[in-house]
Amino acid sequence: EAGVVQSPRYKIIEKKQPVAFWCNPISGHNTLYWYLQNLGQGPELLIRYENEEAVDDSQLPKDRFSAERLKGVDSTLKIQPAELGDSAVYLCASSSEVGELFFGEGSRLTVL
Amino acid sequence: GQQVMQIPQYQHVQEGEDFTTYCNSSTTLSNIQWYKQRPGGHPVFLIQLVKSGEVKKQKRLTFQFGEAKKNSSLHITATQTTDVGTYFCAGRGGSNYKLTFGKGTLLTVNP
Repeated sequence: EAGVVQSPRYKIIEKKQPVAFWCNPISGHNTLYWYLQNLGQGPELLIRYENEEAVDDSQLPKDRFSAERLKGVDSTLKIQPAELGDSAVYLCASSSEVGELFFGEGSRLTVL
Repeated sequence: GQQVMQIPQYQHVQEGEDFTTYCNSSTTLSNIQWYKQRPGGHPVFLIQLVKSGEVKKQKRLTFQFGEAKKNSSLHITATQTTDVGTYFCAGRGGSNYKLTFGKGTLLTVNP
């Protein structure tokens, strides 16, 4: 069974440029999460979806971040415009109901 | 909001020594999960604890959930170099079952 797939693995952009990350969760997992992880820190939740519905986006900086999961399967996370402080690893995870999270490899963003 | 604190932040041990990391939540949890992240990797699920006072073992790893469901611990007996990595606890609580991660404990093992 395929795991959570994320792309791109690495992205380097200049500040003020837009960037988008894509995630394909494990088949059948209704819950999808986007986390941000800074070096030496734990994952911090940005948004959680139950199917197509964003049930927790309280930590998403909505002035520059947006996310969508239109058909309740794959999801995209966008940052526009990116700032230097956005450099981090963006992790996507999926789970069935309230079980264990399966994480993707992550997308490492560097903003110059 | 819900906060999950983990100590210590770092732990360096000689191979064969024991290791323990502690997790404390500011609120009562529905359950707690533990993850391991190898250097350069992504978090990988280890276990979930649900019941008050629950103790679970996986080979050399022992996980405990406190009676008040606000704290937890992970104990590794006789560490090996393969145990190197960062161990995160993640507590689930609140009306929306939010999963909040601690900052993790980085374990290094000297062979």
